[in-house]
Amino acid sequence: DGGITQSPKYLFRKEGQNVTLSCEQNLNHDAMYWYRQDPGQGLRLIYYSQIVNDFQKGDIAEGYSVSREKKESFPLTVTSAQKNPTAFYLCASSTWGGQPQHFGDGTRLSIL
Amino acid sequence: EDQVTQSPEALRLQEGESSSLNCSYTVSGLRGLFWYRQDPGKGPEFLFTLYSAGEEKEKERLKATLTKKESFLHITAPKPEDSATYLCAVQEWEGANSKLTFGKGITLSVRP
Repeated sequence: DGGITQSPKYLFRKEGQNVTLSCEQNLNHDAMYWYRQDPGQGLRLIYYSQIVNDFQKGDIAEGYSVSREKKESFPLTVTSAQKNPTAFYLCASSTWGGQPQHFGDGTRLSIL
Repeated sequence: EDQVTQSPEALRLQEGESSSLNCSYTVSGLRGLFWYRQDPGKGPEFLFTLYSAGEEKEKERLKATLTKKESFLHITAPKPEDSATYLCAVQEWEGANSKLTFGKGITLSVRP
């Protein structure tokens, strides 16, 4: 079945550590997105990529970095510069310029 | 300022008690409005896309409608399995890039 796979489901970060969240899709979608979800908040866009080797900052990109070397993969690195990283992270994909976006089942990141 | 506002924040219904969820938006030049369902610990699941005022979409007990300023998600004779958070999002274009702006969601609880 086609879909989006995020891993790991749970992740713990130590102070000063960078961590990378994985997102893989087999839907043949051109566009991929990373969102952050906090309790009582809507989904906020971190980064998005409409095509391989190109990506744009979303509304809350500070403290995060991404790469898009392959069409099916869009990993997100939460750097030590992100001072409040505890959240539920969601990856999504869609056809180029198209919607709807299809979502993975998220990674919950916590601080040790 | 909020571009997408959902109300109420939470709604508790008795099984069989019909009601409506509201999503109002202030973006200009709406390209599309999307409804998603999200279960706890899961990614959002796509429900409907609406593109123009007057458009309606239905799926089982759910019906989505759109006006120039808001959308409603009508739930007819809900069942406990309809309990979830319902998210609304609007599509915007930034140059050649398309992105979604989400509301904070409405948590629906249906008691048997």
